[in-house]
Amino acid sequence: AQSVTQLGSHVSVSEGALVLLRCNYSSSVPPYLFWYVQYPNQGLQLLLKYTSAATLVKGINGFEAEFKKSETSFHLTKPSAHMSDAAEYFCAVSDPDSSASKIIFGSGTRLSIRP
Amino acid sequence: EAQVTQNPRYLITVTGKKLTVTCSQNMNHEYMSWYRQDPGLGLRQIYYSMNVEVTDKGDVPEGYKVSRKEKRNFPLILESPSPNQTSLYFCASSPYAIEATEAFFGQGTRLTVV
Repeated sequence: AQSVTQLGSHVSVSEGALVLLRCNYSSSVPPYLFWYVQYPNQGLQLLLKYTSAATLVKGINGFEAEFKKSETSFHLTKPSAHMSDAAEYFCAVSDPDSSASKIIFGSGTRLSIRP
Repeated sequence: EAQVTQNPRYLITVTGKKLTVTCSQNMNHEYMSWYRQDPGLGLRQIYYSMNVEVTDKGDVPEGYKVSRKEKRNFPLILESPSPNQTSLYFCASSPYAIEATEAFFGQGTRLTVV
C-alpha cells in the first residue's frame, strides 16, 4: 500500500533562508509525486509534480523538488524564502498502475517565515 | 475563469439534520472527488466519481453519500451529521482519472456539527 510521510508538522525559517520540506513515500512501483500548497482560507493548488521524466522538477514560485528513488524521497526546496511562502504544504503520491485513481496526501507541513 | 465552486463556505448545523454541500466545476472534467481535512491527518478521500453515474468509496466514506447526475456537479450529502464529521471539506476535479493529472480544488467548506 502506498503512503506518504512528511517529516515535521511545522517548519520555521528566516526570510531569505533556504526552505527544505521533507517527504518520503512508500510505493511498490515508481509513483507519481506531487507537492501542493494551501494558503490560509483557500483550497490546495499544485506546486509541482513528478511523472517519471526528469528527476529534478521545477515548480511555481521558485520551488523545486528532486525525486530520489534510492532514498524514496521527494523533498521540496526553495533557495530563498519569502514572506509570501507562509502556507501549508502537502506531499502526495499516486500509483500509476492503480485503477482506483486515488491520490494519497501526507499530513502536511506548515511553513512559517520569520522577518 | 476555470474553477471548482463549493457552497456553502461555512456551515454550522445540529446533529442529525440532513445537509448537502454542493460542488460544481466548469472545466468539463470527468473525475471529481471529495476530501476531508483534519489537523495532523492531511486530506483523506471520502468518495470519488470517474464519470457521470459512476461513483465509488474512498478511504472514509461512512456517514456520507454522493451523486453524479451531471458531469459538472458532485454534491456531498450528510444524511444524519454527527460531531465527528466536523471538518474542512474540499471538492476536487481532474480532466481524467489519470493519476498524473493535476487536481483542481475548491475553496473548501468548513462544517461544524454541534
